[in-house]
Amino acid sequence: AQTVTQSQPEMSVQEAETVTLSCTYDTSENNYYLFWYKQPPSRQMILVIRQEAYKQQNATENRFSVNFQKAAKSFSLKISDSQLGDTAMYFCAFMKPAGPLTGTASKLTFGTGTRLQVTL
Amino acid sequence: DAGVTQSPTHLIKTRGQHVTLRCSPISGHKSVSWYQQVLGQGPQFIFQYYEKEERGRGNFPDRFSARQFPNYSSELNVNALLLGDSALYLCASSLVQGARYEQYFGPGTRLTVT
Repeated sequence: AQTVTQSQPEMSVQEAETVTLSCTYDTSENNYYLFWYKQPPSRQMILVIRQEAYKQQNATENRFSVNFQKAAKSFSLKISDSQLGDTAMYFCAFMKPAGPLTGTASKLTFGTGTRLQVTL
Repeated sequence: DAGVTQSPTHLIKTRGQHVTLRCSPISGHKSVSWYQQVLGQGPQFIFQYYEKEERGRGNFPDRFSARQFPNYSSELNVNALLLGDSALYLCASSLVQGARYEQYFGPGTRLTVT
């Protein structure tokens, strides 16, 4: 079974600064997908960024980028130019390749989350 | 276009009762997944349905059941409620079942069991 570990329960960053959230995972799979989700107080889970394990290039989405270290099974999220609206819980998640042909569920396995507070 | 909708928003039930939670996926999405998020933890996978068939079940007791209707909406049913069932229940929809397809989450239903 896959496990996802987020070792930072809470973090704080000042507006406009950069912060890095850590995530490690354990799997015997070679092909998989990794995600960072954001959950603001409104509770709606929003996809921030995704990374396919077969891609060596780190994914980026505007101010968000990842550092994917496959051998170390590490998947950290860097938020640049932090904004007040970035305040939220951030969850790292893992998914095995799945689909109608495999007959298996494309389920997300989440970590316990990191609460990020952006301050003035 | 409307996103994933869930009803009700909040619900309070007593131990031993039964509850039904509802989810309407984004128009055109054929896959629906259910997750349970206990306070302070990450969501845990409960069920996934695609084209009205169950495609996966997480490590939850048989008190939990679900179904998907011809219009792709879904219901999650929980029987004989326990205090430990108190959680945020999240529904997610995707166009097709598969890791390539983003799962879009609804706002959740907050269930409190007293």
